[in-house]
Amino acid sequence: GAVVSQHPSRVICKSGTSVKIECRSLDFQATTMFWYRQFPKKSLMLMATSNEGSKATYEQGVEKDKFLINHASLTLSTLTVTSAHPEDSSFYICSARGMFGTRDEKLFFGSGTQLSVL
Amino acid sequence: AQTVTQSQPEMSVQEAETVTLSCTYDTSESDYYLFWYKQPPSRQMILVIRQEAYKQQNATENRFSVNFQKAAKSFSLKISDSQLGDAAMYFCAYRRLRDSSYKLIFGSGTRLLVRP
Repeated sequence: GAVVSQHPSRVICKSGTSVKIECRSLDFQATTMFWYRQFPKKSLMLMATSNEGSKATYEQGVEKDKFLINHASLTLSTLTVTSAHPEDSSFYICSARGMFGTRDEKLFFGSGTQLSVL
Repeated sequence: AQTVTQSQPEMSVQEAETVTLSCTYDTSESDYYLFWYKQPPSRQMILVIRQEAYKQQNATENRFSVNFQKAAKSFSLKISDSQLGDAAMYFCAYRRLRDSSYKLIFGSGTRLLVRP
């Protein structure tokens, strides 16, 4: 089946540094990718939607300059947490939407990235 | 705005027994999709089952079935013959049919414990 690879799975960084998280669709073209944030024992909160070749659409309350999203190709989207602070520590999950046939559209999730900012 | 509510933070079931997880949602749309996702300790989100709102027949996937009550805006998940591997967080999710972006709205989740 289709696979979405998310890397790294875990990252620890110092406050003030930037961290990049990659999300790749391995065997399908992802027309749209989504970035979620999940706090411990909480639900997934959508941060932004990215379409290949265009600017990401951010959800209300999400800082565009803090969470930079780039969707440069149909198989790769990146989330960069800029000038990370301890409050940015969280579990980040990407998902990718692909078309399989005329009307068969599916969504696949990456395995997530645990970010810890010291 | 659409909302999804899961009122059971945690449920427990004996292995081989049946358990039902509750989900209610609020929407003014008539066409939409509803989903149940499973998040095991690995934290990988796995699609369990999907229901199209225009279909009256309840979706089933092996041991998993739903009770979709459109008028009541209720979408419960029944797990039959529970197995230890079913232990996980379960999230109910909603998506507008006419939303070309495929944006999902998730409930707060229910943690399912399976007792051996």
